[in-house]
Amino acid sequence: DIVMTQSPDSLAVSLGERATINCKSSQSVLYSSNNKNYLAWYQQKPGQPPNLVINWASTRESGVPDRFSGSGSGTDFTLTISSLQAEDVAVYYCQQFYTTPVTFGGGTKVEIK
Amino acid sequence: EVQLVESGGGLVKPGGSLRLSCAASGFTFNNAAMSWVRQAPGKGLEWVGRIKVNTDGGTVEYAAPVKGRFTISRDDSKTTLYLQMNNLKTEDTAVYFCTTYSGYNVDWGQGTLVTVSS
Repeated sequence: DIVMTQSPDSLAVSLGERATINCKSSQSVLYSSNNKNYLAWYQQKPGQPPNLVINWASTRESGVPDRFSGSGSGTDFTLTISSLQAEDVAVYYCQQFYTTPVTFGGGTKVEIK
Repeated sequence: EVQLVESGGGLVKPGGSLRLSCAASGFTFNNAAMSWVRQAPGKGLEWVGRIKVNTDGGTVEYAAPVKGRFTISRDDSKTTLYLQMNNLKTEDTAVYFCTTYSGYNVDWGQGTLVTVSS
């Protein structure tokens, strides 16, 4: 199974500042035939189901604010919130869907400093 | 609007069984692969398994911790996804989410809580 490791476990960022979350996979999730990274990011607020934010490592879902961006390739990925807003407080998960079983990172809790 | 509504959760003793249902609407269910994802209290997300569309063989894959105990099925005529859970263990205690599946999971239900305890 592909192991997804997120860092940090939690971070506190001031409103308007940048938040950066890292995700590392135990093997590459880049499919060479189409040059796509099979990596997604989810946001989960308390008491709610997860919400897909980014797929294919860097494609923002419809309706997701452009302060959210995803980057990286192969085994190392980053989710960046360029200017943290109060409504961004949540736990964020990365997920690989390169192969089954699909696996998630352990989550990163983002709070306001 | 896509709607996924899970039901069937509850309290069950270890070794018991439970069947979860997920009623789907707002999209063409028979064209959608589906999956179950669970989340133990205060923990992260864990993929349970997925089922392909019937025109793609309707094949099912499971995560190792549930293989042989859980069965995912679908009834396209009722636009409903099922999760039959047998020989339940305390570690199966979780909120179970039904999701559409494209490798990643776009649409999620609100989840149903399964508690396995004596």
